[in-house]
Amino acid sequence: QKEVEQNSGPLSVPEGAIASLNCTYSDRGSQSFFWYRQYSGKSPELIMFIYSNGDKEDGRFTAQLNKASQYVSLLIRDSQPSDSATYLCAVNVGATNKLIFGTGTLLAVQP
Amino acid sequence: GAVVSQHPSWVICKSGTSVKIECRSLDFQATTMFWYRQFPKQSLMLMATSNEGSKATYEQGVEKDKFLINHASLTLSTLTVTSAHPEDSSFYICSARTLASTDTQYFGPGTRLTVL
Repeated sequence: QKEVEQNSGPLSVPEGAIASLNCTYSDRGSQSFFWYRQYSGKSPELIMFIYSNGDKEDGRFTAQLNKASQYVSLLIRDSQPSDSATYLCAVNVGATNKLIFGTGTLLAVQP
Repeated sequence: GAVVSQHPSWVICKSGTSVKIECRSLDFQATTMFWYRQFPKQSLMLMATSNEGSKATYEQGVEKDKFLINHASLTLSTLTVTSAHPEDSSFYICSARTLASTDTQYFGPGTRLTVL
């Protein structure tokens, strides 16, 4: 079983809709969870991090964490074509403080 | 804040030569830097963790004699790909952690290496 799993997509949503991106992880000891956005040919850019169960909102982005289900998600409201990118979920692995990345979900926002 | 730079942004070299990539934290001190490699349409794979003033910790399967890492200061880490071969062609990305954050990583823009 992969440590961090994401649906590779592509996830296609119309402009203005809500995009929902999901991620599951295997290490129950993980404490920190991150969402990065990566445009084609570019390096990842940090969008949000979340440590506690529940929701965390930042502008159009909301991260949701459920440690019991080992599940973290990212909601993008009012999706824009400029949001089209690959979204990487990353999970802190125990005491090593290393990040393990999922394979990413490709989001395509249709104008 | 938390800006990380890399140099060069791209490099083309002949097989058998060595290539050095620099990673700098511009506006913060980074006790720990990470080096990743990303092949097309794949996710980031951690190669090694670099701590200032000590030897790097390499991930399983990464040859430490081929990928030399030096972290001589709190703002600079270098990755040298020695005797590069075409299969080393990839996108190499560094990241750095600030002293204030124990786990948030900020990424550099990456270096695209092509070995002919």
